[in-house]
Formats: sequence, C-alpha cells, structure tokens
Amino acid sequence: EIVLTQSPATLSLSPGERATLSCRARQSVSTYLAWYQQKPGQAPRLLIFDASNRATGIPARFSGSGSGTDFTLTISSLEPEDFALYYCQQRRKWPFTFGPGTKVDI
Amino acid sequence: EVQILESGGGLVQPGRSLRLSCTASGFTFDDYAMHWVRQAPGKGLEWVSGISWNSGSVVYADSVRGRFTISRDNAKNSLYLEMKSLRVEDTALYYCIKGLRSRAILDYFDFWGQGTLVTVSS
Repeated sequence: EIVLTQSPATLSLSPGERATLSCRARQSVSTYLAWYQQKPGQAPRLLIFDASNRATGIPARFSGSGSGTDFTLTISSLEPEDFALYYCQQRRKWPFTFGPGTKVDI
Repeated sequence: EVQILESGGGLVQPGRSLRLSCTASGFTFDDYAMHWVRQAPGKGLEWVSGISWNSGSVVYADSVRGRFTISRDNAKNSLYLEMKSLRVEDTALYYCIKGLRSRAILDYFDFWGQGTLVTVSS
C-alpha cells in the first residue's frame, strides 16, 4: 500500500498567519491526492482534490500544490474556523490510504 | 441538499456479526460510487471498502477482506456493510461516503455522513 506521511504533526499559529502543511508519499501518486479538514465531533470535509483543485464551496484561502511524492496544503490567512485536523489521502492505487494528519491549533 | 444517514452500529462481542446501513438522498444515488471509511476513537482515518455505482467493482482493505461485505440497493438509495467475525480492533466510527464524481470508483470522498459507532468488546 502507498504510505503517506504528514508534517508537522502539530502546527501552532495565530489567526491571520499562513499555514503550510506537508504530505509525502513513499511512492508516486501523480496528482491523485486530496486534502480533508476535520473538526472535533464532525465528519471530515473534502477541501482539495487532484492535488490542487478546490472542492465546491471551499474558500480561496485554501490551496494545494505538488505532484509525485511531495504535496503542500496552504492556508493563506488563517481564520478562527480553520483550526482543525487536516488529512491527506491518495487515490492512485487501492487501498486508498490517508496520512496521519496535521493538527493546526492556536 | 445531500444527506447521508448511517445506522446499525452498536456494542457487539468479538466474533459476532453486525450489519451497517446507510441511506442517502439529495443526489442521484445510482450514479456514484460509495465507500465506508472508519475512524477508531482518537485515531486517524482508515478506508474500509468501496463499491462502484452499478456494484460491478467492489474493493476492500486488507484488514477486512474476507470478513466484511459491501453491497448497495440503488432502488432504495442504500448502502450496506455486512461485518462478520468482528474483532476488538474493528471498534470505530464508520462513515458512509459519496464519491466525488459520477461513475468513478477510483475517486475521492465527497460527502460524509455523521457515522455510526461500532464497539467490539466482551
């Protein structure tokens, strides 16, 4: 299976700051990578798919980049509601796999 | 508005069986692949199983293959997960999820239900 790692595990920032989250795959997933946001007690929400495409209704402050094995999710200016857990996920091969997550907190 | 509602979770002893159900509305159910993803308490996400729009393709995680069976009834807008030989490590919140794009099975997880909790314990 394709293993995904995420760094850092925790990112401590303030509202208005820029957040840069990393996801690395042990083998190439091309651009078949998504990012999800999960808040406590809620189901995850799709943010970005195919590495750089925002899902419906996702604000423009969220952007994704990368291909192959290295990917980045950037939140240009953190809003209070953005403090949450973020997961990357690949759909290049079965089984679909997720990274362990990055927590963005204040 | 897309709505997904899971049911069927509960407390079950190791080795026993449980059937999860998921009812969807607000989209053309038989156009989309559906998936189950689980999340153990305080842990990350694990994809469990997926099924194509017409049930022609069915895939499982290694951890559940041979014990879990996914199925769907498009006439009832429903997805199911039959779970047998349950283990303590199957304890998790099980999410039913709609695929992102019409007729694609190798796809992302677009809309998630709120989950149903399965607890396997003696």
